[in-house]
Amino acid sequence: KAGVTQTPRYLIKTRGQQVTLSCSPISGHRSVSWYQQTPGQGLQFLFEYFSETQRNKGNFPGRFSGRQFSNSRSEMNVSTLELGDSALYLCASSWVPGLAGGLNNEQFFGPGTRLTVL
Amino acid sequence: KQEVTQIPAALSVPEGENLVLNCSFTDSAIYNLQWFRQDPGKGLTSLLLIQSSQREQTSGRLNASLDKSSGRSTLYIAASQPGDSATYLCAVRYNFNKFYFGSGTKLNVKP
Repeated sequence: KAGVTQTPRYLIKTRGQQVTLSCSPISGHRSVSWYQQTPGQGLQFLFEYFSETQRNKGNFPGRFSGRQFSNSRSEMNVSTLELGDSALYLCASSWVPGLAGGLNNEQFFGPGTRLTVL
Repeated sequence: KQEVTQIPAALSVPEGENLVLNCSFTDSAIYNLQWFRQDPGKGLTSLLLIQSSQREQTSGRLNASLDKSSGRSTLYIAASQPGDSATYLCAVRYNFNKFYFGSGTKLNVKP
């Protein structure tokens, strides 16, 4: 079974530009979560999508947005890039069979997209 | 406010030693707790998942315990090897798929 894949693996952008990152979950997984990892702040939760709907959102500005498609693939977009957006962006997938049964699902992470903003 | 703390921040041990990594959380109403390993510049690899109703989980040389009432989890690594060198993160889940991560323990196992 293929793992979580993220594309691209590396990105270099300049301030003010926008960027779109993609995440393909493990086959059968319906939930995708996005995280930002920086040396100073560690791993921070961005948002989570399930069945094409955003279920949870972290404390990030509106420049950070996402969406999920019917095949569970997800994209996140960052507009008007700032230097501080340089980070490793990780997505994680899990299987959510039902509300109660989904509470204990294990998360599986992709390799991440390294974004550098110049 | 839910916070997750990991101690120590860094640990250096000689090969073959048994070691314990600690994770503490402020809100005991967790659904589960997951331990991960992260190699430099890479994603996270899941090591163990402990459900809120469980006390411990084992996988090979790894054993994770959970004490909800005291807000603590430990990851025990037996007979450490240089290949175990990595950053170990614990993540606590409170609702749906929103995890709170600790800042990690950077482990160096010296040959």
